[in-house]
Amino acid sequence: GAVVSQHPSRVICKSGTSVKIECRSLDFQATTMFWYRQFPKQSLMLMATSNEGSKATYEQGVEKDKFLINHASLTLSTLTVTSAHPEDSSFYICSAKGGQGLYEQYFGPGTRLTVT
Amino acid sequence: AQSVTQLDSQVPVFEEAPVELRCNYSSSVSVYLFWYVQYPNQGLQLLLKYLSGSTLVKGINGFEAEFNKSQTSFHLRKPSVHISDTAEYFCAVSSNTDKLIFGTGTRLQVFP
Repeated sequence: GAVVSQHPSRVICKSGTSVKIECRSLDFQATTMFWYRQFPKQSLMLMATSNEGSKATYEQGVEKDKFLINHASLTLSTLTVTSAHPEDSSFYICSAKGGQGLYEQYFGPGTRLTVT
Repeated sequence: AQSVTQLDSQVPVFEEAPVELRCNYSSSVSVYLFWYVQYPNQGLQLLLKYLSGSTLVKGINGFEAEFNKSQTSFHLRKPSVHISDTAEYFCAVSSNTDKLIFGTGTRLQVFP
């Protein structure tokens, strides 16, 4: 149980285009989903927290107009990188948790974004 | 504010040897502690967690960790490592908020 999927696993796009990454909780309802960014050989940096049906809460320094997050249902959150640039190239990982009193986050396999 | 320190960026070890990956945290409130493992180009997999109760926590793949409140540590141990344990290991802390604060990671390299 507690499986989280991400799609796509890898994406290459041209500078100036937008890319959407999906994060799905497959066998549980995720009341909260998180989006992280990981640079090579570095730790995970939390970008934003999203709760189903409400606006995402962004961490300091993360541009909400550039990284659009939608958590439309209890099993799906999307991250859209708008007008992508090469510096947005990174490994994006989502995680999900469900219900109260559950402090564990379940992580997706990640999406490798390369902007050319 | 909470923080996590993983002092060792890399830990080389021979197969079947014991290993300890160190993790120290700082927090002004009660914490929940986690160890995650990340294989290349993959997401994170939970190894074990401490929420409350026994300070010795056993996880998957033969790993265990001990919560030491006085030393604010949560070191990860395995008595005998395998080649397949080669990966990046992250310690993380959380309080009553949803956020996980990660350490910088420790690269465990197991040699034959």
